[in-house]
Amino acid sequence: GNSVTQMEGPVTLSEEAFLTINCTYTATGYPSLFWYVQYPGEGLQLLLKATKADDKGSNKGFEATYRKETTSFHLEKGSVQVSDSAVYFCALSGGSGNTPLVFGKGTRLSVIA
Amino acid sequence: KAGVTQTPRYLIKTRGQQVTLSCSPISGHRSVSWYQQTPGQGLQFLFEYFSETQRNKGNFPGRFSGRQFSNSRSEMNVSTLELGDSALYLCASSLVLQRTGHYEQYFGPGTRLTVT
Repeated sequence: GNSVTQMEGPVTLSEEAFLTINCTYTATGYPSLFWYVQYPGEGLQLLLKATKADDKGSNKGFEATYRKETTSFHLEKGSVQVSDSAVYFCALSGGSGNTPLVFGKGTRLSVIA
Repeated sequence: KAGVTQTPRYLIKTRGQQVTLSCSPISGHRSVSWYQQTPGQGLQFLFEYFSETQRNKGNFPGRFSGRQFSNSRSEMNVSTLELGDSALYLCASSLVLQRTGHYEQYFGPGTRLTVT
């Protein structure tokens, strides 16, 4: 079945540091890939997406490239801010399975000034 | 367009009681999914409704049930509440991506249920 594996957190960074959160997936066919962000006390927000191999999703300074050869969709940001502190979820849609989206366990990011 | 709305936002119930949560999807979205989020188990899929029919179901006991109305609004019910049901319950409405047929989900703010 489909699955998503994210790097374990928590991740703590200083402001303006470079961020990478690793995400790899297992799926048949060609799934669509997503990153969601959850700020404290809120629901999940769609951060970015990619629907085919080599697509790059980007939003709010965050980027992720759909790498079919390595089955990865790593999230990156060049310079994090305190306001980026949140939990980040990698997810996929498509392939086999019986759920609309399959989520990773989430990675908590804390950015300190 | 208005986003996904969930009511109530916060709820406190006692063990053994039952509870009903409501979700209104984004206009035009016909699929509604429910998730339970806890610190220990993370985000877990409960079920999905599409055009008033349950289309997918996660691995939860029968105490958890749902339904969807003709206007796509959905309700989730939990009967005989247990302490372990304390969680954030998230509703998501889905857009189907035209090129791939895959889902893109939009989440509501959640209902925080506390069982005492």
